[in-house]
Amino acid sequence: AQSVTQLDSHVSVSEGTPVLLRCNYSSSYSPSLFWYVQHPNKGLQLLLKYTSAATLVKGINGFEAEFKKSETSFHLTKPSAHMSDAAEYFCVVSAGYSTLTFGKGTMLLVSP
Amino acid sequence: DAGVIQSPRHEVTEMGQEVTLRCKPISGHNSLFWYRQTMMRGLELLIYFNNNVPIDDSGMPEDRFSAKMPNASFSTLKIQPSEPRDSAVYFCASSFSSGNEKLFFGSGTQLSVL
Repeated sequence: AQSVTQLDSHVSVSEGTPVLLRCNYSSSYSPSLFWYVQHPNKGLQLLLKYTSAATLVKGINGFEAEFKKSETSFHLTKPSAHMSDAAEYFCVVSAGYSTLTFGKGTMLLVSP
Repeated sequence: DAGVIQSPRHEVTEMGQEVTLRCKPISGHNSLFWYRQTMMRGLELLIYFNNNVPIDDSGMPEDRFSAKMPNASFSTLKIQPSEPRDSAVYFCASSFSSGNEKLFFGSGTQLSVL
């Protein structure tokens, strides 16, 4: 069995400040973990992916995430938010041969 | 490649009518997924196909929903009869496999059942 919990439904930041979107997972097997982003009226786009290589994963648009097995976490970060980062972000887990399980999403709001 | 193509982008229909959503996956991908997104329930996997064969349809809400994949380049999701609670955004996605591979999503179909 696998599940993912995104700890915040909404996160608000000011442009130029750091972004932290939190995600915890549970899995019976070594997981693969993903972050997807969804801009308004668009489909989901892969930001980054972890599959048991380096624990710090770098993605597109300056985002990165760190896999911490001891904490069962895979938080998404970015040093400096941009207005174009405003979107909904989904943490996703997959383990064994199972399909992807999506979190409920975190809406990131960026103010000028 | 044009990516995953879904049609229509928007569908407005009346309760009781049949609705057919269409999807063309990325050429070469052998797995296709149908998801439903609502505010209340987030993203839910409805069904997925591997090599045109339905593998897991446990997410299909009820018998009113059916999905087909007659060939590697086309899939449909049908709702008959439609109900207002079916209103949602329906996404199709494809990938090289059904496991931990990157999913490529279409732009979705916004369905409104009045």
